[in-house]
Amino acid sequence: GAVVSQHPSRVICKSGTSVKIECRSLDFQATTMFWYRQFPKQSLMLMATSNEGSKATYEQGVEKDKFLINHASLTLSTLTVTSAHPEDSSFYICSASILARDEQYFGPGTRLTVT
Amino acid sequence: AQTVTQSQPEMSVQEAETVTLSCTYDTSESDYYLFWYKQPPSRQMILVIRQEAYKQQNATENRFSVNFQKAAKSFSLKISDSQLGDAAMYFCAYRITYGGATNKLIFGTGTLLAVQP
Repeated sequence: GAVVSQHPSRVICKSGTSVKIECRSLDFQATTMFWYRQFPKQSLMLMATSNEGSKATYEQGVEKDKFLINHASLTLSTLTVTSAHPEDSSFYICSASILARDEQYFGPGTRLTVT
Repeated sequence: AQTVTQSQPEMSVQEAETVTLSCTYDTSESDYYLFWYKQPPSRQMILVIRQEAYKQQNATENRFSVNFQKAAKSFSLKISDSQLGDAAMYFCAYRITYGGATNKLIFGTGTLLAVQP
């Protein structure tokens, strides 16, 4: 149980375009989902926390207009990187929890490359 | 602010031997959770072990155990009988709870563990 999927697993896009990453909880309903960013050989940095049906809470230094997060249902959250640039190239990981204070279950990650 | 420090960027262990990964943290809270996550080359984050701060007994999961020293704010991971499949990046993490309403994980910088056959 407690499986989280991400789609796509890899994506390459051109600079200036937008790309959407999906995070789904497959066998549970997630009231809270988290989005992390991980640069090569570095740790996970929390970008934002999203609660179903409400606006996401962004960490300091994360541009909310660039990284659009939508958590429209209890099983799906999306991260849209708008007007992507090469410096946005990274590994993006989502996690989900049944309740905000519960265990986080991680997705397999999405590797974004912006050319 | 809460911080998590892993002072060993890389460690190496012989197969079947024991290795200990270090982690220290800083917090003014009395109730919190600590975790060790494993991230193999696939990049999938895997929960290895969890410790609740109010529990004095050290958590154990098969070959994995922790040495939790609350006063010293230390949380080390011991891997016994190391196996080739244990090779991975290991992250120590601290979970903040905001009034019971939500949680947020703070990760350390990670320790890359190599297992030598």
